[in-house]
Amino acid sequence: DAGITQSPRHKVTETGTPVTLRCHQTENHRYMYWYRQDPGHGLRLIHYSYGVKDTDKGEVSDGYSVSRSKTEDFLLTLESATSSQTSVYFCATGDRDRYLFYEQYFGPGTRLTVT
Amino acid sequence: DAKTTQPPSMDCAEGRAANLPCNHSTISGNEYVYWYRQIHSQGPQYIIHGLKNNETNEMASLIITEDRKSSTLILPHATLRDTAVYYCIVRVAPDSGNTPLVFGKGTRLSVIA
Repeated sequence: DAGITQSPRHKVTETGTPVTLRCHQTENHRYMYWYRQDPGHGLRLIHYSYGVKDTDKGEVSDGYSVSRSKTEDFLLTLESATSSQTSVYFCATGDRDRYLFYEQYFGPGTRLTVT
Repeated sequence: DAKTTQPPSMDCAEGRAANLPCNHSTISGNEYVYWYRQIHSQGPQYIIHGLKNNETNEMASLIITEDRKSSTLILPHATLRDTAVYYCIVRVAPDSGNTPLVFGKGTRLSVIA
């Protein structure tokens, strides 16, 4: 699997506070993604990036912003956390392999609780 | 991307083959069928993908019907470690770029000793 780490792995924060989650990869993949996972909804895409400084919105982007200033890091920021953003957040990366196939590799996840 | 339909849950005896079905009746000609799984609390893991031919790798086999409207993922000898949620995803062709995955609710497979 690709070397993907997420930090922090667990976080409890209060409503209204800013929160930044970090995804770090060592595979030099161009594409990076942030998903959230909630009971009854499966994984839903928040934002994704197709290169440094190139990002786009996903299905559930309201209340979230992202930044990618270098290939290896993709940051997800909750400007003012709300209880509805309590979730497990997964980062993923991907690129074309020697078979011209795109696969996505997922990180271990960050469990965020907003009280 | 086309939508997929999977049963919410299935059981399988350890050592037996697990056959997980997926319907994708609106699949387009340039869309592939992908399978991922998610073991409890971990990130999803890629299993296999195919276009129209049957595919096999070290983890599983993928059988796609001739009309491509459905497929079956086969785990030939299921073990307790295969207990997970299995996602069938339809996605545009690889040379279109690494498009995001659209996850449904998947099938929760329980392998029973």
